[in-house]
Amino acid sequence: EAQVTQNPRYLITVTGKKLTVTCSQNMNHEYMSWYRQDPGLGLRQIYYSMNVEVTDKGDVPEGYKVSRKEKRNFPLILESPSPNQTSLYFCASSLFPGQGGEKLFFGSGTQLSVL
Amino acid sequence: RKEVEQDPGPFNVPEGATVAFNCTYSNSASQSFFWYRQDCRKEPKLLMSVYSSGNEDGRFTAQLNRASQYISLLIRDSKLSDSATYLCVVGDYNFNKFYFGSGTKLNVKP
Repeated sequence: EAQVTQNPRYLITVTGKKLTVTCSQNMNHEYMSWYRQDPGLGLRQIYYSMNVEVTDKGDVPEGYKVSRKEKRNFPLILESPSPNQTSLYFCASSLFPGQGGEKLFFGSGTQLSVL
Repeated sequence: RKEVEQDPGPFNVPEGATVAFNCTYSNSASQSFFWYRQDCRKEPKLLMSVYSSGNEDGRFTAQLNRASQYISLLIRDSKLSDSATYLCVVGDYNFNKFYFGSGTKLNVKP
């Protein structure tokens, strides 16, 4: 089954404790991206990747890191989480935006709480 | 100023009603336009892409007005199962950044 898999689904942590949220897709998509969703603000793009070893900042990259060593995986890393990073996070992928592949496939989300 | 703006609603309508949502976007160079549906705290799912010529998928019709920079979604014969939040999404000229509206909530009541 074609899917984007995010883990964990829920995560509670404390300020400053490094964490990684994993994202994997099995559709051979070039494009992957991370979003956070906060009430009243909609989804905001954190980082995106057009292909392996190619990543770029979205609109809210501060406090986050990503890597794209393999095509299928795009982990989101919070080196020193803070309470303002408490949010619902979504990973998404698509074949290749702009070439008829704009449909974004989303993972089921990760609810992160930083205490 | 937000890139994409939507009326948050909620729109409360009876079954069978016709309901319309609009959204506006700020960047005239935007290249791609979509409506996504999101059920409570779940992942967004593509409802339909939006083209300048307008497009229809069953009970759903989407329109794009580039001159006025707005996108619309019309739902005819509303079903209970249409209750959800509808997200307007705009892709930039490079097709690599996507901007989401904060969503319009629809409640369809029996």
